[in-house]
Amino acid sequence: SAVISQKPSRDICQRGTSLTIQCQVDSQVTMMFWYRQQPGQSLTLIATANQGSEATYESGFVIDKFPISRPNLTFSTLTVSNMSPEDSSIYLCSVLLPGLAVHEQYFGPGTRLTVT
Amino acid sequence: QKEVEQNSGPLSVPEGAIASLNCTYSDRGSQSFFWYRQYSGKSPELIMFIYSNGDKEDGRFTAQLNKASQYVSLLIRDSQPSDSATYLCAVRRYGGSQGNLIFGKGTKLSVKP
Repeated sequence: SAVISQKPSRDICQRGTSLTIQCQVDSQVTMMFWYRQQPGQSLTLIATANQGSEATYESGFVIDKFPISRPNLTFSTLTVSNMSPEDSSIYLCSVLLPGLAVHEQYFGPGTRLTVT
Repeated sequence: QKEVEQNSGPLSVPEGAIASLNCTYSDRGSQSFFWYRQYSGKSPELIMFIYSNGDKEDGRFTAQLNKASQYVSLLIRDSQPSDSATYLCAVRRYGGSQGNLIFGKGTKLSVKP
């Protein structure tokens, strides 16, 4: 597995502001992802963070709202822009590691965001 | 039909019993299947994966896959109170992006001492 850290671990923000979440991995990984887990819900993929190019967003998520950077193979950021209370959620960074049989996916500790 | 379905629970079992967690999926092209454990307030932790029909055992955990029935399960033997958590089933699609895991909503397991 890999050691994945996220900053901040939690934050309370006012509506209309933006928050940038950082994800750091202790080894180089090809694929990094950002997920959201809303209260009482399962995980939803926001986007794939591509190193050196624009992120690939899933249906329902747009770059203007969730800009993502991936400057190298160990680091990525997700910004939640112009926040509203509906953005209150846990945001999770995830990496894919090659295994002998299947690629295994691991998650960071998450960032708990509350928008007031 | 939801893509990955799990009984939300809570599933309550006594300590030492076998806990059986079930998951069905709709996409017949799905290739690999994952079980994650998520403690309250924590991020998901990968427990096991399976990609071939049959059983796969790892310690107290056994994953079972039946592609014909589009069914995957997780058995936890000798359940302990520390196993109390939400268990997420995830499915990776054939041909999808490598990270395109589709998650179920999870089953909450409670192991009573």
